[in-house]
Amino acid sequence: QQQVKQSPQSLIVQKGGISIINCAYENTAFDYFPWYQQFPGKGPALLIAIRPDVSEKKEGRFTISFNKSAKQFSLHIMDSQPGDSATYFCAATLNQGGKLIFGQGTELSVKP
Amino acid sequence: EAGVVQSPRYKIIEKKQPVAFWCNPISGHNTLYWYLQNLGQGPELLIRYENEEAVDDSQLPKDRFSAERLKGVDSTLKIQPAELGDSAVYLCASSLAGTYQETQYFGPGTRLLVL
Repeated sequence: QQQVKQSPQSLIVQKGGISIINCAYENTAFDYFPWYQQFPGKGPALLIAIRPDVSEKKEGRFTISFNKSAKQFSLHIMDSQPGDSATYFCAATLNQGGKLIFGQGTELSVKP
Repeated sequence: EAGVVQSPRYKIIEKKQPVAFWCNPISGHNTLYWYLQNLGQGPELLIRYENEEAVDDSQLPKDRFSAERLKGVDSTLKIQPAELGDSAVYLCASSLAGTYQETQYFGPGTRLLVL
């Protein structure tokens, strides 16, 4: 019940296309959902985050869509660029203490 | 502003040997985290500190792992003795406070290989 399940494991998108990564969770106590971006040899870095009282959040080319009833949320990357090639992790936190529960990660490759 | 600093970046040891990792968090960040990241997986929390106090160490294998955060700043994570299955990346992160919406800033990690 503590897990966050992420798909797909890997994704190849053409430059200018839309990248979509999905996550699902079971624990309804989760109430903050960040996405992290990780480049090879680097630590994860916060990309965008959403709370469950909002159905969508957009920052530049990155959008989180949140479906509370389905317990699912997704990251959309519009106009994907080769520089977006990285591993993306969804995560969830419990309403105590800041413990991040990460998904398994999606390796995104954007082809020029 | 300097980010989270970790050293060493890479470490290769023989099994049963001890190993230690060091982390210097962002200045002013009271909360420090150690995560374990296996290849192709998301990070998993090992321990969380609020200042000098370990407030969540439920996932730390205490038979071989230990950690300390003296003076509430730098932290050291130790494994003794190391096992083959400990090969992974050890990430340190810090945040201003331990609230769940506080952004966690990660260091580059220490990649450990146990032979």
